[in-house]
Amino acid sequence: GAVVSQHPSWVICKSGTSVKIECRSLDFQATTMFWYRQFPKQSLMLMATSNEGSKATYEQGVEKDKFLINHASLTLSTLTVTSAHPEDSSFYICSAREYRGGHNEQFFGPGTRLTVL
Amino acid sequence: QKEVEQNSGPLSVPEGAIASLNCTYSDRGSQSFFWYRQYSGKSPELIMFIYSNGDKEDGRFTAQLNKASQYVSLLIRDSQPSDSATYLCAAGGYQKVTFGIGTKLQVIP
Repeated sequence: GAVVSQHPSWVICKSGTSVKIECRSLDFQATTMFWYRQFPKQSLMLMATSNEGSKATYEQGVEKDKFLINHASLTLSTLTVTSAHPEDSSFYICSAREYRGGHNEQFFGPGTRLTVL
Repeated sequence: QKEVEQNSGPLSVPEGAIASLNCTYSDRGSQSFFWYRQYSGKSPELIMFIYSNGDKEDGRFTAQLNKASQYVSLLIRDSQPSDSATYLCAAGGYQKVTFGIGTKLQVIP
């Protein structure tokens, strides 16, 4: 159990275009999902917390108008990188939180590698 | 600022040895503690979680938690080259989980 999928696994796009990344919890319902970004040889950086049915909470320094998050159902959250530029090239990873055994556990998707030309 | 501190390494151990990875956390309200393994170019994979003081063993892995010292550790017995990866420590409560920067482990054949 506790499987999280992401789509696409990689994407190459031209500068100025928008890219949508999907994150799905396959075998559980996730009221909360998280979006991270990771640059090469650096640690995970939390971008935003996505709550089903409400607005996402963005971390300091993350532009909410550039990184649009929609969590329309208990199993799907999407991240749209709008007007992408080369500096947005990174590894984007989502995770979904499942409450089990009295504790919250967090499971990661496989990640999406974005390359902006 | 709720922080989770780890030495970035690299930590090098010979094959067959015990690898000891350490982590401290600043938020005394943390209730859940996790160890994730991340191979280069891949996303993190949950390998251990611990909620109570003491030791928890799973195969070659043992997680240790000391809430009084705000200290979490992961021991890997009989280390294998395939264990070479970055190990992320994480601490969390109800709202979210905070990750450390990860310790890079290198197991030398």
